[in-house]
Amino acid sequence: AQSVSQHNHHVILSEAASLELGCNYSYGGTVNLFWYVQYPGQHLQLLLKYFSGDPLVKGIKGFEAEFIKSKFSFNLRKPSVQWSDTAEYFCAVNAGQAGTALIFGKGTTLSVSS
Amino acid sequence: GAVVSQHPSRVICKSGTSVKIECRSLDFQATTMFWYRQFPKQSLMLMATSNEGSKATYEQGVEKDKFLINHASLTLSTLTVTSAHPEDSSFYICSAPPAGGYEAFFGQGTRLTVV
Repeated sequence: AQSVSQHNHHVILSEAASLELGCNYSYGGTVNLFWYVQYPGQHLQLLLKYFSGDPLVKGIKGFEAEFIKSKFSFNLRKPSVQWSDTAEYFCAVNAGQAGTALIFGKGTTLSVSS
Repeated sequence: GAVVSQHPSRVICKSGTSVKIECRSLDFQATTMFWYRQFPKQSLMLMATSNEGSKATYEQGVEKDKFLINHASLTLSTLTVTSAHPEDSSFYICSAPPAGGYEAFFGQGTRLTVV
């Protein structure tokens, strides 16, 4: 069975600081990888996704993530965070076949102070 | 991108009653839909996989008689919480991948409060 680990439960940063949120998954086969953001009181929004190809993927709002297959990792990064990035961030994975369910990590709460 | 609509967005019901939540894919067909549950400040937990024209597949620990799922058409899945209790209060979210697709699109979620 697949599983996703997000090691950072709560990250607190000042504006303009760099961000890296860790995500590791456990699955032996081909996977698709996703990062979602959930702003307070809002529904999930897709930040970026990786299916294949270039392991460095760029998403919305200046976020990027790098897939490192040998480490089973898909860490999320942003060079300079803003106060508006305060939110909950979820890493998710599904098996490489079409139409499979996403399995989510426990989430990381990011708090950015201005 | 594809749109998934979930209704209602909020519902308050009395303990012992049943509540139906609808999940519709608006501009694509979905043979499979997924239902998740999210407790406050926690992650999304997969409850069940809804399959058009066949029985839903439930995750371990999810009571299928309590959470009835019906996938009546290629664009509609419903989740009915039967005999609701306060501990069923939660945020329920559906998602659907377009047929043959790898990415699932999420509904807005339904906040259920059982009083």
